Amino acid sequence: AQSVTQLDSQVPVFEEAPVELRCNYSSSVSVYLFWYVQYPNQGLQLLLKYLSGSTLVKGINGFEAEFNKSQTSFHLRKPSVHISDTAEYFCAVSDLYNFNKFYFGSGTKLNVKP
Amino acid sequence: DGGITQSPKYLFRKEGQNVTLSCEQNLNHDAMYWYRQDPGQGLRLIYYSQIVNDFQKGDIAEGYSVSREKKESFPLTVTSAQKNPTAFYLCASSDRPQETQYFGPGTRLLVL
Repeated sequence: AQSVTQLDSQVPVFEEAPVELRCNYSSSVSVYLFWYVQYPNQGLQLLLKYLSGSTLVKGINGFEAEFNKSQTSFHLRKPSVHISDTAEYFCAVSDLYNFNKFYFGSGTKLNVKP
Repeated sequence: DGGITQSPKYLFRKEGQNVTLSCEQNLNHDAMYWYRQDPGQGLRLIYYSQIVNDFQKGDIAEGYSVSREKKESFPLTVTSAQKNPTAFYLCASSDRPQETQYFGPGTRLLVL
């Protein structure tokens, strides 16, 4: 079974600074990769996904992520954050050999300070 | 607008009581899922359904039950056997099982 590790449970950052949220997964078999954002007391919203093709994926709200197969990583980046980016971010992996299984990381809380 | 609705937003359960959480989608998706979210633990899969009249246990199915009588509906019952039900419950659906899951707004269950 897959496991997904988000190394940082909390990331404080000042407004307009760059940020990287890290995600590593356990297996190098074929996977689909996702980043979701969750605002307080709301459901999860898809930020971006990697299914195939270019390893650099652009998503909504200026976020992007890079798939690195050799390092089994899918880190999320934004060059300049806003206060409105304060939320919890979840990395998820879909194992193509184990249908219906999404593996979620434990989440990273991004706190953008003025 | 297509989407997933969950009701109620907040639900209170008394000891020994069964409660049912509603999940409806109008995305015409075949697959539907129920997750439980606890602080610092991410999302854990309770049950999933690939098609009408079929559903499978996830990682933490004990104390929960589901039905899938219609494509658009996937209600979750939290039974009295679930001893620690306080959590945020999320319903999701997807067009193809391994691809994007779309989430509802969630139901927060509290024990009186």
